[in-house]
Amino acid sequence: DGGITQSPKYLFRKEGQNVTLSCEQNLNHDAMYWYRQDPGQGLRLIYYSQIVNDFQKGDIAEGYSVSREKKESFPLTVTSAQKNPTAFYLCASRAAGIASGNTIYFGEGSWLTVV
Amino acid sequence: QQQVKQSPQSLIVQKGGISIINCAYENTAFDYFPWYQQFPGKGPALLIAIRPDVSEKKEGRFTISFNKSAKQFSLHIMDSQPGDSATYFCAASKGGGGSNYKLTFGKGTLLTVNP
Repeated sequence: DGGITQSPKYLFRKEGQNVTLSCEQNLNHDAMYWYRQDPGQGLRLIYYSQIVNDFQKGDIAEGYSVSREKKESFPLTVTSAQKNPTAFYLCASRAAGIASGNTIYFGEGSWLTVV
Repeated sequence: QQQVKQSPQSLIVQKGGISIINCAYENTAFDYFPWYQQFPGKGPALLIAIRPDVSEKKEGRFTISFNKSAKQFSLHIMDSQPGDSATYFCAASKGGGGSNYKLTFGKGTLLTVNP
């Protein structure tokens, strides 16, 4: 099946630890995104990447890092510098170019909890 | 600075009624306005979208109304059903799919349709 796969679904992090959330897509999309969702806060953009080996900071990039070494993969690392990491994290992708339309497709999300 | 303001935060409607969710935006460069539907524990899915060259778009029981001069758009769900109970997000973007394309989301509306 084509789609966006996020793993793990649930992750627990201890104070001071870095954790990495995986995002893989087989839609052959060029652009990929990471959003964070908190209750009552909507979806806030962390990082996005339009092409391999290039990415840009979103609105709340502090305490996060990403890489885009392959077109189909866009992992997100939540570092110890992120003081309030407990949230629902959503990966998304889009086919680039005006002719491809503007639809952004989301994965099923990953829950991160600090313990 | 909240670029897309969504209201109400929550909405309770009886089965068969009309659900109305409103959004207002500030950036006149926005040229694409989608609505996403999200069920608990799942990623958001595109429901319907509109561009500013039309004032209304209908797909089944879902209609977007768009008022360019007022910088407002709304989602109407006709004959609301319990299965429509979900969180709805409006969003906006600019750039027509270019290199810096990204969506800005409202904070969401939790819709409950009572049987």
